[in-house]
Amino acid sequence: EVQLLESGGGLVQPGGSLRLSCAASGFTSSTFFMAWVRQAPGKGLEWVSAVDGRSGRSDDTYYADSVKGRFTMSRDISKNTLSLQMHSLRPEDTAIYFCAKTLRSGTADMIFDFWGQGALVTVSS
Amino acid sequence: EVVLTQSPATLSLSPGERATLSCRASQSISNYLAWYQQKPGQPPRLLIYDASNRATGIPARFSGSGSGTDFTLTISSLEPEDFAVYYCQQRVHWPPLTFGGGTKVEIK
Repeated sequence: EVQLLESGGGLVQPGGSLRLSCAASGFTSSTFFMAWVRQAPGKGLEWVSAVDGRSGRSDDTYYADSVKGRFTMSRDISKNTLSLQMHSLRPEDTAIYFCAKTLRSGTADMIFDFWGQGALVTVSS
Repeated sequence: EVVLTQSPATLSLSPGERATLSCRASQSISNYLAWYQQKPGQPPRLLIYDASNRATGIPARFSGSGSGTDFTLTISSLEPEDFAVYYCQQRVHWPPLTFGGGTKVEIK
């Protein structure tokens, strides 16, 4: 059974840092594009970042302009986990952060068929 | 960046009625559109991908259509569990991946 479990959320002051993790089980995450998608309180969905799942490109990462240069997505193949390191956090980064898996391995289909329950990040003084 | 505009923002219907949700893209995205359902306190759930393909386990009352810039999600007969927020998402011109602003289907 596919499962995604996020952890690491919490309250952080503006300008601070936080690291989110996503533990994947039931599939080999390194062969899939994986993504982080966030949702501000009461708002819609916003794509944050993605890591490539194609052979030979599994370290390639992509970011929304709103987080580029501040957030870094990575994966630990041995642990089947993903991480999102967030620096220089702003109040507008306050959101639930979802980890999501794409439908087909080895392709950039960017269709999200499984989502974790999310981790809440609150940026406030 | 491809902007997806969903309408209406809110749809007030009764169980058993037909729901028609629209998603319009700012440029052609062929058929590379997905629809998700989200209930309060839950993550999104994939319903439809590539405009008209139902995801695994999705009931036949959900159907999608369209290509180019205009897409529709239809729920043929609303069940009580279908009252939720629905989002569309495009995957052809990325980064960035983009989502529509959502349509809330509420009980009338």
